[in-house]
Order: sequence, then structure tokens, then C-alpha cells
Amino acid sequence: GAVVSQHPSRVICKSGTSVKIECRSLDFQATTMFWYRQFPKQSLMLMATSNEGSKATYEQGVEKDKFLINHASLTLSTLTVTSAHPEDSSFYICSARAPQAGSPLHFGNGTRLTVT
Amino acid sequence: AQTVTQSQPEMSVQEAETVTLSCTYDTSENNYYLFWYKQPPSRQMILVIRQEAYKQQNATENRFSVNFQKAAKSFSLKISDSQLGDTAMYFCAFMNIYSGAGSYQLTFGKGTKLSVIP
Repeated sequence: GAVVSQHPSRVICKSGTSVKIECRSLDFQATTMFWYRQFPKQSLMLMATSNEGSKATYEQGVEKDKFLINHASLTLSTLTVTSAHPEDSSFYICSARAPQAGSPLHFGNGTRLTVT
Repeated sequence: AQTVTQSQPEMSVQEAETVTLSCTYDTSENNYYLFWYKQPPSRQMILVIRQEAYKQQNATENRFSVNFQKAAKSFSLKISDSQLGDTAMYFCAFMNIYSGAGSYQLTFGKGTKLSVIP
């Protein structure tokens, strides 16, 4: 089945630094990828939709200058958390969809970000 | 905008028994997909089952089946012969499939924490 690889799985960074998270579709081309954020014991909240070759579409309340998304190829999308602060500590999950009609979203394993 | 409601924050079931998780949704669309995802402690999102709105027949996947009531906008998940490995958070999710902005986005419910008791 379709596989989505997300790296790193865990990252600890200091406040004020930037962190890049990669999301790759390993065996299919994903024209669209999605980035979610999940706080402890809560559901997944959509942050942005990443479209290959164009600007990402951000959900209301998500700062596009803080969460930079790049979808440079059909198999790779990156999320960069810029000038990270402790309140950015969270679990970030990407997902991708194969182009076939009715394909479900396939999720990466997630990245646990801790900002100290 | 679509909303997905899971009214049971937590549930428990004895091993080998059957449990049903509830989900209701609200949409004005006629064409969409519904999903149940499982999130174990590892936090990996695992697809459990999928239902196309245009299909009247309820989807089944081994021990997992759904009761899809389109008019009532209800989409419950039944787990038969519960196993310890079924212990996880279960999220009901809605996906629009029209073209344009918002297509193929998943809207999740708040989740139900299921514990299977030995």
C-alpha cells in the first residue's frame, strides 16, 4: 500500500531556532499533501494544504510566515517552523493522497517537536 | 463547513466482545467519503475503514464494519471480537470530493478512546 515517510520523528530545538520537517510519498506521486497539528489528547487540526508547484493554502489562524510550507516536487513537502517558541511544541503529522479517485489519505508517522 | 461529532470521549469493552463507536456529521454535500482512523499510542494514523456516500451497502473490513445512515448523517463503527491490539483512539473523518478549494481535506471528530479489557 501507499507509504508516507515523515522525518524526523522527534526533534528538540532551542527557542528562536528553525526546524524543518519532511514528508515524502514513497511509492506514489502526491500533488496534494496536508499538514496537521495535534495537541495532547486532542484531534488533528488541519494547518495547511500543500500543492505541488504552488503556494500552500493555510487554515484560518495559522501563521504562514511562521509555518513555511514548500512542495517542490510530487513526492516531497516540507514544513519549516521558523523562530520556534515553546508554544509551538506539538505533534505534527503530514498526509498525502494518491491521485486515484477515492484514494484515502495516507499519513506519515508524525514528528514530535519540543521547543526548549 | 463540515462538522464531525463523536459523542463518546471514552469507551471500554471486554476482550472478544463487540463495541460500537458513534459518529455523526453535518454537510450540505451529496458526494463525499467517510473514514474511521485508528491512532494507537505510537500515534501512527491507521486507516480502519472507508465508506463512499453514494454506496448504500455498508463497508466491512474483517472484524470492522460500519452502519452508514446517509439521511440521518450517521456513521458508526462496529468492532467485533475485540482484541487487545484494538486499544487506541478512533477518529471519524469526513472528506469532500468536489473539485476546488477544500477538496480531499479531512475533517476529524474529536475522537473516542477505546480500551479493550483482558
